[in-house]
Amino acid sequence: QKEVEQDPGPLSVPEGAIVSLNCTYSNSAFQYFMWYRQYSRKGPELLMYTYSSGNKEDGRFTAQVDKSSKYISLFIRDSQPSDSATYLCAMSALYNQGGKLIFGQGTELSVKP
Amino acid sequence: DGGITQSPKYLFRKEGQNVTLSCEQNLNHDAMYWYRQDPGQGLRLIYYSQIVNDFQKGDIAEGYSVSREKKESFPLTVTSAQKNPTAFYLCASSISGTHYEQYFGPGTRLTVT
Repeated sequence: QKEVEQDPGPLSVPEGAIVSLNCTYSNSAFQYFMWYRQYSRKGPELLMYTYSSGNKEDGRFTAQVDKSSKYISLFIRDSQPSDSATYLCAMSALYNQGGKLIFGQGTELSVKP
Repeated sequence: DGGITQSPKYLFRKEGQNVTLSCEQNLNHDAMYWYRQDPGQGLRLIYYSQIVNDFQKGDIAEGYSVSREKKESFPLTVTSAQKNPTAFYLCASSISGTHYEQYFGPGTRLTVT
């Protein structure tokens, strides 16, 4: 079983839709939860990170972490064609416990005009 | 502009040849990382360095080598011992202690035939 599981999609939605992207994990030591966006043939771009449980909002993006269920989500409101990309979740334990990032496989999102 | 540069963008080599991928950053970050990305898989850590003249193996270090002689540079050598070297290679950096906030370069796509 992989430490981090992410539905690879592809996911196709109409412009303006609310998008929900999800990851599950098995390692209860994970404390940091990140979402990256990767356009085709480009390097990943950090969207946001969350420490421990709770919600974090940045513009049209909201990250949620439910540590009791080992489940994280990224919501995109009013999705735009420019949001079409692969979204990667990543997680890590505290820095002094190794701190390396473990990535999900990525979900490919397509937002149709 | 601060950022991470990787060169070249595309690289072609014959089997049995060693090849070195360049990674330079002007963000004044102490920590640097090398990842490999294959289709349908998340990023996997090859090597990382928290400080000049020091580096550690990641999850898939076999067949790779690195050096960290300067803070801004972290080159990766793919040796002939790497069984499946064709992949997309990504370099990242972060401020020491903030491993959860890694910034990525544009990547190098290596094809070995």
